[in-house]
Amino acid sequence: NAGVTQTPKFQVLKTGQSMTLQCAQDMNHEYMSWYRQDPGMGLRLIHYSVGAGITDQGEVPNGYNVSRSTTEDFPLRLLSAAPSQTSVYFCASFPSGGVINEQFFGPGTRLTVL
Amino acid sequence: GQQLNQSPQSMFIQEGEDVSMNCTSSSIFNTWLWYKQDPGEGPVLLIALYKAGELTSNGRLTAQFGTTRKDSFLNISASIPSDVGIYFCAGEDYGGSQGNLIFGKGTKLSVKP
Repeated sequence: NAGVTQTPKFQVLKTGQSMTLQCAQDMNHEYMSWYRQDPGMGLRLIHYSVGAGITDQGEVPNGYNVSRSTTEDFPLRLLSAAPSQTSVYFCASFPSGGVINEQFFGPGTRLTVL
Repeated sequence: GQQLNQSPQSMFIQEGEDVSMNCTSSSIFNTWLWYKQDPGEGPVLLIALYKAGELTSNGRLTAQFGTTRKDSFLNISASIPSDVGIYFCAGEDYGGSQGNLIFGKGTKLSVKP
């Protein structure tokens, strides 16, 4: 198993550009989520999904869109990047109905918006 | 929204010393978790706590779920250089969706050999 993979590892955008951060897992986990981590802060939940076709907002959803067309993939879209979205983004997954200690985090995508 | 207060923010200790850090919350959590994050990596789960009063160990690490369900602590005994990193507490609130975590701001641990 590759676990949770994220691409790209690093990205620089200009204000107003759009892009998609990719997240994939090969563990057949139903639950997937996106967090952002800012300097000196813990992780904050952006969006999550409890299964294919189902998504919901977390604590800081503004400026981000998600979709879940397959169990494996959960992309995060920035429609019009802003400097406030400069952050490290982590994707996580775990089996729905499982215990939280089966949650795995990806290695992160470091995004800079100029 | 819910907030976790984690302290201390940072610690500088000598190798071999014991370490203690804690988290407090303004509201009740059903699960407390402790993660370690190395530079450039995602968080890795160290210990998960599921019941108030629960005391759990993982090698040199010991964590407890407070009886009020609003706090938790993590102890590291006999620290070694590879303990360096940022430690996060997180709470899971079943009032939200299972798996949604609230994170503390982290404790940065530095160990002098």
